[in-house]
Amino acid sequence: TQLLEQSPQFLSIQEGENLTVYCNSSSVFSSLQWYRQEPGEGPVLLVTVVTGGEVKKLKRLTFQFGDARKDSSLHITAAQPGDTGLYLCAGLRGGTSYGKLTFGQGTILTVHP
Amino acid sequence: EPEVTQTPSHQVTQMGQEVILRCVPISNHLYFYWYRQILGQKVEFLVSFYNNEISEKSEIFDDQFSVERPDGSNFTLKIRSTKLEDSAMYFCASSRPGQGFNGYTFGSGTRLTVV
Repeated sequence: TQLLEQSPQFLSIQEGENLTVYCNSSSVFSSLQWYRQEPGEGPVLLVTVVTGGEVKKLKRLTFQFGDARKDSSLHITAAQPGDTGLYLCAGLRGGTSYGKLTFGQGTILTVHP
Repeated sequence: EPEVTQTPSHQVTQMGQEVILRCVPISNHLYFYWYRQILGQKVEFLVSFYNNEISEKSEIFDDQFSVERPDGSNFTLKIRSTKLEDSAMYFCASSRPGQGFNGYTFGSGTRLTVV
């Protein structure tokens, strides 16, 4: 079974603080995708990381793919209330860019003003 | 921004009835998927579809389920003889693999409630 373990499951912080969400597995993934999901909506893609050691930035969000392509992290700098939501990591295996995505269980982030 | 469109947004059905969930994937995408999310649980893969046939399916996708691409734009999930445990959000997604691959695009989902 290909598992993606996300941590922490819940994160409650004050506006302006920094945070990191982790996504770990014992399996190698050809790519890792990060999504944000609002209640009652579908996951919305934030970023895809493909190369081991890759770092991508999206404004205050920094995404990193581990050198061995087994783990990834999402770092948010100076969090804002608008960052509140469910963050999901999802991995693709088999050296492909298609097929079954394996999702982590998600991190519920709450940023208090 | 191209979107994946799903209809209906909500569906309530009696146990034992058949439902068809509909999706219009992004037009130049080649792979189509159905996922489901039971309330409070992970998003789970059901099936992937490419070149007019199923390319992969999960153990959840048994004989109760079927998918079809009846024309050039629609992609449907049929659930026969629905059970209470089929209640979930069902998400359609599409992707265009290969050069420039940049993840999957998900629809907003259909909330299926079996009563």
